[in-house]
Amino acid sequence: GENVEQHPSTLSVQEGDSAVIKCTYSDSASNYFPWYKQELGKRPQLIIDIRSNVGEKKDQRIAVTLNKTAKHFSLHITETQPEDSAVYFCAASGSARQLTFGSGTQLTVLP
Amino acid sequence: GAVVSQHPSRVICKSGTSVKIECRSLDFQATTMFWYRQFPKQSLMLMATSNEGSKATYEQGVEKDKFLINHASLTLSTLTVTSAHPEDSSFYICSAPTGTGFQETQYFGPGTRLLVL
Repeated sequence: GENVEQHPSTLSVQEGDSAVIKCTYSDSASNYFPWYKQELGKRPQLIIDIRSNVGEKKDQRIAVTLNKTAKHFSLHITETQPEDSAVYFCAASGSARQLTFGSGTQLTVLP
Repeated sequence: GAVVSQHPSRVICKSGTSVKIECRSLDFQATTMFWYRQFPKQSLMLMATSNEGSKATYEQGVEKDKFLINHASLTLSTLTVTSAHPEDSSFYICSAPTGTGFQETQYFGPGTRLLVL
């Protein structure tokens, strides 16, 4: 089955700096790669996703890149703010539609 | 976006009892729903795929006789934790996909926090 690895497990940045989280996946058939933000005790919230037919997608301060050849994808957050502090999960899915999650990254934005 | 609800949001039960958790898609139909479990400070792990009108598909290591799944309608899936034990204490979250093909997106319920005493 699919295996998703995520790094780093913790990330601290100064407010205004950029944050980058990286994930790799194992199943070349995976074609959907969402990123979720989860605050303590709450449901994961989709913040951005990318599908295998594109290499990059941007939504305001958030961007995701996908390298299908290398089987890795990354989340980029620019101009970080304290409210960006949360746990971020990457995930991958294919035709079976079920999501395989990475291990999560605790992002702390220091004011 | 689409809305998925879960009930209850929190439940405390005694060891050996059964607990039912409901997952509903409120504004769309879902022939498939997914059940995940999340232990503290860990990632979400898929437990099973709930299929409307047919048996659920369980992930390796998940006991189908302990975690009963029923997908009785296009908007409701239930997960029953039978004979619950303290090690079953966890955050249970369902999700439902909507859209098709490259337009498909999964929406998560708010989760149910189960504490077994």
